[in-house]
Amino acid sequence: DAMVIQNPRYQVTQFGKPVTLSCSQTLNHNVMYWYQQKSSQAPKLLFHYYDKDFNNEADTPDNFQSRRPNTSFCFLDIRSPGLGDAAMYLCATGRLAGGQETQYFGPGTRLLVL
Amino acid sequence: AQSVTQLDSQVPVFEEAPVELRCNYSSSVSVYLFWYVQYPNQGLQLLLKYLSGSTLVKGINGFEAEFNKSQTSFHLRKPSVHISDTAEYFCAVSGHSGGSNYKLTFGKGTLLTVNP
Repeated sequence: DAMVIQNPRYQVTQFGKPVTLSCSQTLNHNVMYWYQQKSSQAPKLLFHYYDKDFNNEADTPDNFQSRRPNTSFCFLDIRSPGLGDAAMYLCATGRLAGGQETQYFGPGTRLLVL
Repeated sequence: AQSVTQLDSQVPVFEEAPVELRCNYSSSVSVYLFWYVQYPNQGLQLLLKYLSGSTLVKGINGFEAEFNKSQTSFHLRKPSVHISDTAEYFCAVSGHSGGSNYKLTFGKGTLLTVNP
């Protein structure tokens, strides 16, 4: 089945230790998104790629960066995680076609910062 | 700019009862509307969406929603809920025109708890 895959599902890191979360898709969608979701809150968009064009949200901290080496893969790098970065990180893909887009989400990676 | 208001943060119901989760939106442009469901420690799963056409939209798991343009609402309904419907439900909107208007704006979510 075509899908959005996130690895790992659970990630534990230490305060200040860089961490990378990965997302892959078999949907061949041209748009990929990274969201941060804290407990009992709505997902908050961090950035998105339209093909290779990177779009950063204005309030995304500099500590967060992303790479999209090809259509299928996208990575979220947290350079120096703080306790406040503990959250669920959701990857989503979308395909712009016919003037409309629907986003499809992966299962998420839950990040714990010790 | 767009905004979404989910009027109820929590909705407890008994099994086999009907349920309605309310969603109102505000936008200066035409919108697409979505409902997503999130089970504990999972990602968001698309329940249904309104893009155009019939204002009554049917989705997965027996859910449906009705788009009401005059009331700027997109309420989610199910005639008979199951224990397995216990989850967080998010309403979301996006714009029509290109560029960043395709980004989703989410409501704060409604926790549906189905009790036996």
